[in-house]
Amino acid sequence: AQTVTQSQPEMSVQEAETVTLSCTYDTSESDYYLFWYKQPPSRQMILVIRQEAYKQQNATENRFSVNFQKAAKSFSLKISDSQLGDAAMYFCAYRSAEDMRFGAGTRLTVKP
Amino acid sequence: NAGVMQNPRHLVRRRGQEARLRCSPMKGHSHVYWYRQLPEEGLKFMVYLQKENIIDESGMPKERFSAEFPKEGPSILRIQQVVRGDSAAYFCASSRYGASDSEAFFGQGTRLTVV
Repeated sequence: AQTVTQSQPEMSVQEAETVTLSCTYDTSESDYYLFWYKQPPSRQMILVIRQEAYKQQNATENRFSVNFQKAAKSFSLKISDSQLGDAAMYFCAYRSAEDMRFGAGTRLTVKP
Repeated sequence: NAGVMQNPRHLVRRRGQEARLRCSPMKGHSHVYWYRQLPEEGLKFMVYLQKENIIDESGMPKERFSAEFPKEGPSILRIQQVVRGDSAAYFCASSRYGASDSEAFFGQGTRLTVV
C-alpha cells in the first residue's frame, strides 16, 4: 500500500485563479523531505518545490507554495495566478534516507 | 492488490557487468514508465512501454540501455557494461490507460551502485 496519498485524481482551475492540491503521507521517521513534481505531456518529471521536514517555514517558489503540517502529515501545494502552462499531472513525493514514495498523482486542468 | 513491485531494491554491479532491473506493474495495468533519479532530486524520463511495444524511448541513452515489457512477466530495464555514471535510483510507474490516466503508481525504486 502506498504511504503517500493524493485524494484528488483530477482538479480544475480557472486561469489566474488559485488552486490547492492535497497530499497526506504516513511515516514514523522524523527526518525526511517532501516534494511536488510536475509531469507535463512530455512525461518528464519536473521538481516544483521541496520541503525539509525539520523546517517549520513553508517553502515557496514564485507562484507555488506549500502548506506543510507536520503533525497532521499533510503537504498541500498551492498554485496562485494559475497559468495555462500549469496544466499537468502533479505528484507528491516523500523521501527519507532509505526510501522514496510517490502519490498516485493529480491531473490539473487549467481553463482559459 | 499489491502496488508496483520493483526488484531488487538494491543492486551492486562492477564496472562492465550487466544490470537487470525488474518492474511488475499493478494488476490490470498495461502501461509502464521508467525514470532515473538524478542527484539534484529530479526524475528523468527514460522510456514508456505498453505490453510488448516501446511507445516512447526518447529518454533512453542510445547505447547500453534497453527495455522490454513482454506479454508475460515484468518489464525489464537492462543496462549492459555498466559504468560508474549509471549509479542512480531507477523508478518505474504503471497506469491502466496510459496518457489519459488521472493516476499513475510508482514503485519504490531500484538503487543501482556501480563499483
